[in-house]
Amino acid sequence: DTAVSQTPKYLVTQMGNDKSIKCEQNLGHDTMYWYKQDSKKFLKIMFSYNNKELIINETVPNRFSPKSPDKAHLNLHINSLELGDSAVYFCASTPQQAPYEQYFGPGTRLTVT
Amino acid sequence: DAKTTQPPSMDCAEGRAANLPCNHSTISGNEYVYWYRQIHSQGPQYIIHGLKNNETNEMASLIITEDRKSSTLILPHATLRDTAVYYCIVRVYNTDKLIFGTGTRLQVFP
Repeated sequence: DTAVSQTPKYLVTQMGNDKSIKCEQNLGHDTMYWYKQDSKKFLKIMFSYNNKELIINETVPNRFSPKSPDKAHLNLHINSLELGDSAVYFCASTPQQAPYEQYFGPGTRLTVT
Repeated sequence: DAKTTQPPSMDCAEGRAANLPCNHSTISGNEYVYWYRQIHSQGPQYIIHGLKNNETNEMASLIITEDRKSSTLILPHATLRDTAVYYCIVRVYNTDKLIFGTGTRLQVFP
């Protein structure tokens, strides 16, 4: 019974394509996130959603569009993929009570060729 | 930018205590210290957090200096499975953002 799941685990695609990564959490959390970890292993927040509403958008190119159909799902759609988008993308969620720890998914490794 | 500085790497013998330091000299009064770790390429995992008192849970202990400008994460009996990158993060308690720095790569050896 996975808490935060992501699909696919690996994604290889060509420049210019459009792709989506899906995230689901079964923890009942209201807040979900997308993080990007680049080749140098820097882990950086991209978006945060609370109960389907966008809370944080960290100056991510508008080719990236998160979509939250319900509070258990936060999908990431990427248009016109570029080489620099190659990274591992992590989804996370957090409860509304202390200690507000974030639960991370297993990651999706995106490779753009 | 991350508000913490950590040594890039540390080694620890299996079964010994691993003490991971973190400096956060500009921490504000309402900011907590959180520790996460990332094992290989898995998603980060929450370990512990604290404000000013020392904290202990089933995974680790957190020692925060009286002036709150630094802290130490202690893994009392390190195992090979504790090999990971450990991140120290300061954060206002119920805000969303986790700002990750470069962390400390802990290598536990047999």
